[in-house]
Amino acid sequence: NAGVMQNPRHLVRRRGQEARLRCSPVKGHSHVYWYRQLPEEGLKFMVYLQKENIIDESGMPKERFSAEFPKEGPSILRIQQVVRGDSAAYFCASSPPRGTRVETDTEAFFGQGTRLTVV
Amino acid sequence: AQSVSQHNHHVILSEAASLELGCNYSYGGTVNLFWYVQYPGQHLQLLLKYFSGDPLVKGIKGFEAEFIKSKFSFNLRKPSVQWSDTAEYFCAVAGYSSASKIIFGSGTRLSIRP
Repeated sequence: NAGVMQNPRHLVRRRGQEARLRCSPVKGHSHVYWYRQLPEEGLKFMVYLQKENIIDESGMPKERFSAEFPKEGPSILRIQQVVRGDSAAYFCASSPPRGTRVETDTEAFFGQGTRLTVV
Repeated sequence: AQSVSQHNHHVILSEAASLELGCNYSYGGTVNLFWYVQYPGQHLQLLLKYFSGDPLVKGIKGFEAEFIKSKFSFNLRKPSVQWSDTAEYFCAVAGYSSASKIIFGSGTRLSIRP
């Protein structure tokens, strides 16, 4: 699971700036999840993506947040006009293409996370 | 609504004590269940998972979990904890559908006294 790479590991932004968080999944994985972790609140689901397609974005705030997973390149979580409340650890996870092997298909492998601090 | 409840936010044990962390879920349909562990400063790692078959699942580092369908529970157990088990533990659930996201509980912080 060390194959999921997130960068940067730490990101400091001033209020009003944009934050771009990158996630490169495990090679061959076609699905990416983004989660936000706040102290004492566990992992909150944000968005679930397949290459070039958003499967479920029910956890994404309606404004300022967007995510993409292009055909080539990493998945990007973008936060526009950041506010102090956006400060958190953002984790990306990837999983293989869904098929008939349920035992491994659903398992998600996590990256080290990006800690965003808004000052 | 789909959800996972972990009732213990912080558990403190002495070394060699037995551990049981509670996890209950709410999810319609067939589920996959997971326990992940996050050691201080590290990313989440899979401890064990249940997909089908024997409801008693054995994972790494001596951990096991039992799926009790009638109680919608998937409690994590270890007979004798070590100081190195100090970490945060997350229970998670996902459906079988390819569109199913993985939903996590709020986590249980486990502190082991040496």
